[in-house]
Amino acid sequence: AQSVAQPEDQVNVAEGNPLTVKCTYSVSGNPYLFWYVQYPNRGLQFLLKYITGDNLVKGSYGFEAEFNKSQTSFHLKKPSALVSDSALYFCAVRGSTGAGSYQLTFGKGTKLSVIP
Amino acid sequence: AAGVIQSPRHLIKEKRETATLKCYPIPRHDTVYWYQQGPGQDPQFLISFYEKMQSDKGSIPDRFSAQQFSDYHSELNMSSLELGDSALYFCASVVTSGNNEQFFGPGTRLTVL
Repeated sequence: AQSVAQPEDQVNVAEGNPLTVKCTYSVSGNPYLFWYVQYPNRGLQFLLKYITGDNLVKGSYGFEAEFNKSQTSFHLKKPSALVSDSALYFCAVRGSTGAGSYQLTFGKGTKLSVIP
Repeated sequence: AAGVIQSPRHLIKEKRETATLKCYPIPRHDTVYWYQQGPGQDPQFLISFYEKMQSDKGSIPDRFSAQQFSDYHSELNMSSLELGDSALYFCASVVTSGNNEQFFGPGTRLTVL
């Protein structure tokens, strides 16, 4: 079974400072990893994904994530946080092989608050 | 670019009533996933369809059923609604021949009173 852990329920960061939202995963085979952002009462917006290739993945709105296979981590990062980045962030994983569908398993989410 | 469409966006029902949620995938996407996100919770996989056949089943109650039609749209039917069914229901569509990236719709917020 696949699983995702987001160890921090909430992350607070000052505007202009770098931010990191942590994610670790467990999956059979090679992982497909995703980050989504959710604003209040809104749907899930795709930020970035890791399928294969470079360990550093660049995504939307200046976000990036680093895949670390040995640590089974996929932390989300941004060099300079904006107040508008304040939202709920979900890390998700799915397996790359196997019969059947490829449903996503989500972490519990991390609430990011960027303080002006 | 076309996105996933879900209707209705908001739905209010009483206990023991039924509800039908609809999902219209991105054109040429052949796979649909349904997720349920309770208040303050992460999205949980319910069920998926590929080419109009059920492909996988998650934590979907027996009171719920779903299907995918010939035009690839999908409907989630919910009967004997309970207060605990109040949640945001997401649909995601995928083109299986691609990298299986899921594109999410805006969700239907169901409130059971």
